[in-house]
Amino acid sequence: AQKVTQAQTEISVVEKEDVTLDCVYETRDTTYYLFWYKQPPSGELVFLIRRNSFDEQNEISGRYSWNFQKSTSSFNFTITASQVVDSAVYFCALSEAGVLGTSYDKVIFGPGTSLSVIP
Amino acid sequence: DTEVTQTPKHLVMGMTNKKSLKCEQHMGHRAMYWYKQKAKKPPELMFVYSYEKLSINESVPSRFSPECPNSSLLNLHLHALQPEDSALYLCASSQDQRWSEQYFGPGTRLTVT
Repeated sequence: AQKVTQAQTEISVVEKEDVTLDCVYETRDTTYYLFWYKQPPSGELVFLIRRNSFDEQNEISGRYSWNFQKSTSSFNFTITASQVVDSAVYFCALSEAGVLGTSYDKVIFGPGTSLSVIP
Repeated sequence: DTEVTQTPKHLVMGMTNKKSLKCEQHMGHRAMYWYKQKAKKPPELMFVYSYEKLSINESVPSRFSPECPNSSLLNLHLHALQPEDSALYLCASSQDQRWSEQYFGPGTRLTVT
């Protein structure tokens, strides 16, 4: 079963529009971490934010904001006043504990949302 | 300095070749990772080296073998690869395995002919 779902495969917006990228996750753990990463065309993944399961406060960093809602298992990402430099693939990810003795802790990436910002 | 370096940036190899990918971090991180990423797909974890223990994704074929000479270096040895192994190979590191964000290198774009 897919643990991280990003339903939007591709999104196109015109520069200066706001855009929200959706992320829905599934986990059996009560303690977990969620992440967002950005992958521009150059290929290198860039860390954007980490949020633990006990902290549901929304966070804002410049034009970026994140809305974490445990009740709906969602961790959505909004870019305000989008710019061409925001064009990239965005991955939501979930840290998952391995089953003791049989597997290892790892980060599960969602399938990604490709965002194109048109000038 | 939040930098993970990878060499080479590009690699073309034949199916009978042996080559190595190199990854280095100087952030004092205790976990390092190799990921494989195909076009339009998320990264797939291949190996984790954390606190001197290697964990392997069992779906990774034996023609890939990791090596960790020290806590800041993680190599990936390639032997007898197949064309379907062509992909972007990403190295990452983090403070610890589960709770910390990962810092990624620029990747090695591998083509197997």
